[in-house]
Amino acid sequence: KAGVTQTPRYLIKTRGQQVTLSCSPISGHRSVSWYQQTPGQGLQFLFEYFSETQRNKGNFPGRFSGRQFSNSRSEMNVSTLELGDSALYLCASKALQGYEQYFGPGTRLTVT
Amino acid sequence: DQQVKQNSPSLSVQEGRISILNCDYTNSMFDYFLWYKKYPAEGPTFLISISSIKDKNEDGRFTVFLNKSAKHLSLHIVPSQPGDSAVYFCAARRGNTPLVFGKGTRLSVIA
Repeated sequence: KAGVTQTPRYLIKTRGQQVTLSCSPISGHRSVSWYQQTPGQGLQFLFEYFSETQRNKGNFPGRFSGRQFSNSRSEMNVSTLELGDSALYLCASKALQGYEQYFGPGTRLTVT
Repeated sequence: DQQVKQNSPSLSVQEGRISILNCDYTNSMFDYFLWYKKYPAEGPTFLISISSIKDKNEDGRFTVFLNKSAKHLSLHIVPSQPGDSAVYFCAARRGNTPLVFGKGTRLSVIA
C-alpha cells in the first residue's frame, strides 16, 4: 500500500498571505489528523477529520482550518500567515481499527 | 500543561549497548501509548505500542515497559545500532481523543 503523501513538500510564503496544504491518506483510512511541529515543541495537534467531519480540534487560532473530501483526502488552510507559523506540518492517517497513526513526510512551511 | 513529558532532550549510547528512553505522563486516563521514531526531513514512523492493560510489549530489538502506578513508560533498544540514531517521540491517548506527544528525545548511537 502507498503511504501517506503530502504536497507540497516545501513552501515559502510571505507574512499576511494564505496557504493550503494537501494530504492523501493511506488507501482505506478514513481518519486524517494534522499536526504542527516546531523546534523544541514536539507535535502539536491541529485537528482530526473522519468521514468529512471534524472530529477533534486542537488549541489553535481560527486562522487554521481544514476539510476532508469524500475520498478522504484532506486539506488544511492557514490564512493571514505570521512568522510564528513557520513549521513542519504533518498529516497522519489511521485505520478504523487500531490506534496507530501513520505519518506523511510533512510540508515544511517558511514564512518570511 | 504538558501531559506527556520526555525529560531528556538527548541521549548518547555506544553501538551494541542498551538505549533506554523515558517518558512520564500525568493523565491517568490514558489507555494506549505509542513510540515513534523520526529521521530528519521525514515524518514520524510508528515503532511500538502498549495498551494500559499490559506492562510490557516486545518487538524484536524494541521493548516498551509501562509502569501505571508511576505513570512512566520506557523504550529499550537492545542492541543499539547506528541506524537507530533519530528523534524518538512518546505519545499517549485516551479512547478516541487525539494523540498527545512528548517533545522528543534525540538518540545518538556512536559506532
